[in-house]
Amino acid sequence: GIQVEQSPPDLILQEGANSTLRCNFSDSVNNLQWFHQNPWGQLINLFYIPSGTKQNGRLSATTVATERYSLLYISSSQTTDSGVYFCAVDSGGSNYKLTFGKGTLLTVNP
Amino acid sequence: ETGVTQTPRHLVMGMTNKKSLKCEQHLGHNAMYWYKQSAKKPLELMFVYNFKEQTENNSVPSRFSPECPNSSHLFLHLHTLQPEDSALYLCASSQGRGGENGYTFGSGTRLTVV
Repeated sequence: GIQVEQSPPDLILQEGANSTLRCNFSDSVNNLQWFHQNPWGQLINLFYIPSGTKQNGRLSATTVATERYSLLYISSSQTTDSGVYFCAVDSGGSNYKLTFGKGTLLTVNP
Repeated sequence: ETGVTQTPRHLVMGMTNKKSLKCEQHLGHNAMYWYKQSAKKPLELMFVYNFKEQTENNSVPSRFSPECPNSSHLFLHLHTLQPEDSALYLCASSQGRGGENGYTFGSGTRLTVV
């Protein structure tokens, strides 16, 4: 099956700093999503981005489908950005199946 | 609330108990999922239901038994579990493959098997 690798596994920032999270995937995809899991376990959908670039406030994402990677940018980080960021892909086929990476644990200190 | 509600939020059960996890979505989605999240592991897809029909069973042991009586409700029946089954169990729903509307996850049930 498709492989999803995220880096870095852990990231510690001071409030106000910027960061870039990376997701590499091993095959072509028709769906790529970024999620944020808060410390209480809630997974929130951030972006649906199988290709191109999107921005939502301080967050933006870029997927280069031909090179099989996606980047999530967080600018002017806040303590509420802390949590785990997951990349998940769907490579198509007859079944609906999202394959998740192991995530990046982000800690933003005040 | 995201529109996907899971109950209970926490569950402690013995290895000989039988319990059920419940998931309900009010989003009009046609697909529902169970995922397992263990410490230090990626989320693992367990089951997929599309229009109430099970379309994916990801080699899950028979001690986990899903039930989807309608497109708004999903259950996970648990019996004779092992301590290694302790994890966060997440329910999700989507319209089709998700797309722009994405996947919506519930808050999860944190299960501890003693």
